[in-house]
Amino acid sequence: AQKITQTQPGMFVQEKEAVTLDCTYDTSDPSYGLFWYKQPSSGEMIFLIYQGSYDQQNATEGRYSLNFQKARKSANLVISASQLGDSAMYFCAMREGGTGGFKTIFGAGTRLFVKA
Amino acid sequence: NAGVTQTPKFQVLKTGQSMTLQCAQDMNHNSMYWYRQDPGMGLRLIYYSASEGTTDKGEVPNGYNVSRLNKREFSLRLESAAPSQTSVYFCASSEPRTGAEKLFFGSGTQLSVL
Repeated sequence: AQKITQTQPGMFVQEKEAVTLDCTYDTSDPSYGLFWYKQPSSGEMIFLIYQGSYDQQNATEGRYSLNFQKARKSANLVISASQLGDSAMYFCAMREGGTGGFKTIFGAGTRLFVKA
Repeated sequence: NAGVTQTPKFQVLKTGQSMTLQCAQDMNHNSMYWYRQDPGMGLRLIYYSASEGTTDKGEVPNGYNVSRLNKREFSLRLESAAPSQTSVYFCASSEPRTGAEKLFFGSGTQLSVL
């Protein structure tokens, strides 16, 4: 069963504008973590932001913020003041526990294009 | 500080050949992972090791085996490679007890099976 869903295969945004990338998740584990990673065309995976399931406030890291709506099981990434260098693939991921320990799974990703 | 080191970076195999992808981390992390990424897609978990001495199947384990050799090293073996295993493979590690246990990734191995 799909546990991480990113419904936007591609998104366009004008430089300097804000953009929201959607992510919904499904888990029965009360303790979990949500992440966003960026993958530029060079291929490396870059950690952007983390939200724990018990965190009361939405996470922020510079221009990145995570809009965490626990009841709706959504963890959308907001990028403010988009830059050309933000053009990349963005992956939502979830860490959950289990009998085998913690594991992290990823969504299919959203490709963001920033227009000048 | 090297972080997560994967070898090789590129590999071409013929169908039926075997090979082992090596991964080592120097951050004293307990958890290690192997993912594959097919073109235009997300990362899919092949196997993971929550701690030294344990391994577990992920989302797509068929056709692969793993060995957690010690705390530092986690290898992925393809016993009889198939064209469907053509992909980019990423090794990663994390330390779950730190809270925000983000993954640290290696640079990836591009594998082609002909």
